[in-house]
Amino acid sequence: SQTIHQWPATLVQPVGSPLSLECTVEGTSNPNLYWYRQAAGRGLQLLFYSVGIGQISSEVPQNLSASRPQDRQFILSSKKLLLSDSGFYLCASNRVANYGYTFGSGTRLTVV
Amino acid sequence: AQSVTQLGSHVSVSEGALVLLRCNYSSSVPPYLFWYVQYPNQGLQLLLKYTTGATLVKGINGFEAEFKKSETSFHLTKPSAHMSDAAEYFCAVSDMPDKIIFGKGTRLHILP
Repeated sequence: SQTIHQWPATLVQPVGSPLSLECTVEGTSNPNLYWYRQAAGRGLQLLFYSVGIGQISSEVPQNLSASRPQDRQFILSSKKLLLSDSGFYLCASNRVANYGYTFGSGTRLTVV
Repeated sequence: AQSVTQLGSHVSVSEGALVLLRCNYSSSVPPYLFWYVQYPNQGLQLLLKYTTGATLVKGINGFEAEFKKSETSFHLTKPSAHMSDAAEYFCAVSDMPDKIIFGKGTRLHILP
């Protein structure tokens, strides 16, 4: 079965600072990978997804970017954080042609 | 286009009472349907899913859901609520192999 590792678990960053959140997957190869953001009372917002190395689809224009340098590694980045970037960030994975996601444990980002 | 509507952002039930969380979906093709649970500051965990076949689906922790095509519904139930069931629950739909659409979530409160 798949396991998703996300770190750090919590992060407090000042406005204008850079961001890098990493997600790695074990137990599967060639997965689809996803970044979601969860803001209070707003459900899950899909930010980016990737079907392969170097292939990134952006769902919502914003201050963030994503990269997939290796098959089982997915990185969420920002050059300059905004207050509105605060939230709970979740990485998810599903095997190609297999329905349902496995989620990581999330990163709580607070921009101050 | 796919969409999911969860009725009630907050639901309160007494311990030992029936749990009913409502979900209606919209999909142009026969969908795959999911319920996920999220405990505070954790990722989402799959409770159950409907793909094909039997319309009554049993999941973990005593939960079950019934797919009703005529009503476009996939309500989640549990006969007797426990304090440990307090969490946020997300209904989700997919009619594509690489993307799932989530509802906004329902927070379940258990009253002693």
